[in-house]
Amino acid sequence: GAGVSQSPRYKVAKRGQDVALRCDPISGHVSLFWYQQALGQGPEFLTYFQNEAQLDKSGLPSDRFFAERPEGSVSTLKIQRTQQEDSAVYLCASSPRLAGSVSSGNTIYFGEGSWLTVV
Amino acid sequence: SQQGEEDPQALSIQEGENATMNCSYKTSINNLQWYRQNSGRGLVHLILIRSNEREKHSGRLRVTLDTSKKSSSLLITASRAADTASYFCAETSGSRLTFGEGTQLTVNP
Repeated sequence: GAGVSQSPRYKVAKRGQDVALRCDPISGHVSLFWYQQALGQGPEFLTYFQNEAQLDKSGLPSDRFFAERPEGSVSTLKIQRTQQEDSAVYLCASSPRLAGSVSSGNTIYFGEGSWLTVV
Repeated sequence: SQQGEEDPQALSIQEGENATMNCSYKTSINNLQWYRQNSGRGLVHLILIRSNEREKHSGRLRVTLDTSKKSSSLLITASRAADTASYFCAETSGSRLTFGEGTQLTVNP
């Protein structure tokens, strides 16, 4: 497809369950980002990949959160032993350039998000 | 944690009116970006203003930046019902965007 694709769009998980969220970035995009957006809030940075390398994971809220991008294209965000406070929209974004160029105005393209509800 | 702060948090206007949203930020910036998010959708980049610019236009959008006050404003002129959405400013720092909490704009037909 032409845009960033995320799946599943909606996920209801029971507390304690593990979940995996998938992101298909725009083909050829070097940079990939994950953001978490709680209801009524702005997105918060989770992690950044340059190709297959995870260069910044400082935003991951706990060691229950894990992200990978093994072949430098598709990425998976995994949340282990989900808790109610994990309920949020998880947004993936990609960019054709290196992330440092975000500061110089490189546009990043967001997917429509995966809505996670933990009950 | 969020650094940018938008105000108002919610704005309701009639079609044809202008909408002004403000954003304050805390760090030194290279640029500041504005994004739009329709309900249940992803974010769409609207406009970027660099730290050495004071004003920028794009169609019905006008963005201003005051680095001395660390604030920016987004003006949407001649609003339309289709402009109903949440609007976020975002500071750029290294590899990440830091978003504010957004302004929910409702344009009534």
